[in-house]
Amino acid sequence: DAGVTQSPTHLIKTRGQQVTLRCSPKSGHDTVSWYQQALGQGPQFIFQYYEEEERQRGNFPDRFSGHQFPNYSSELNVNALLLGDSALYLCASSLALPRIGQPNYGYTFGSGTRLTVV
Amino acid sequence: AQKITQTQPGMFVQEKEAVTLDCTYDTSDQSYGLFWYKQPSSGEMIFLIYQGSYDEQNATEGRYSLNFQKARKSANLVISASQLGDSAMYFCAMRGGRDYKLSFGAGTTVTVRA
Repeated sequence: DAGVTQSPTHLIKTRGQQVTLRCSPKSGHDTVSWYQQALGQGPQFIFQYYEEEERQRGNFPDRFSGHQFPNYSSELNVNALLLGDSALYLCASSLALPRIGQPNYGYTFGSGTRLTVV
Repeated sequence: AQKITQTQPGMFVQEKEAVTLDCTYDTSDQSYGLFWYKQPSSGEMIFLIYQGSYDEQNATEGRYSLNFQKARKSANLVISASQLGDSAMYFCAMRGGRDYKLSFGAGTTVTVRA
């Protein structure tokens, strides 16, 4: 049973450029969330996608946008990159409606994409 | 809004000993879930244990147990019989009943010494 897959694993971009990160959810999951984790800090919620719509958004500027495809995979796009966007970007998948016996809401995280902006 | 506080930035523990990681939270929700995750240097968030706000028993998963004190709004993680492989960053997280997101604390780095 494949877990959450993220690509690429590492990325170096220049200030002002645009970047796209990709996430394939765990088999059977239909919801994808994205988190930004700066070095030495806890992850911060960016947004969550369900049924190809943004269901909830954290405190991030409009430069951060996303998309969910019919196969539940997702992309995170960041425009006009700033040095402060350098971070580990984590994708987490889950079920929109957790099944009985899955009280932990079944969040499964990927290994992340480490983005460095220079 | 939910807030998670982890006051221990780093801890050292001797192999085979137990260690307690502190976590306090703040929420106005009556229904919520509390989570602990382990993050090794590889970056992946590994789920360890979950406690629901209405669960009467403290959660346990193998060597992990959660000391849930609802009135004090604390959810401390206890790792028993520490192993070298337990060296990692540990995060406490919370999801409110009306929320889709997880809110994380700043984390605690645990280093297990042989």
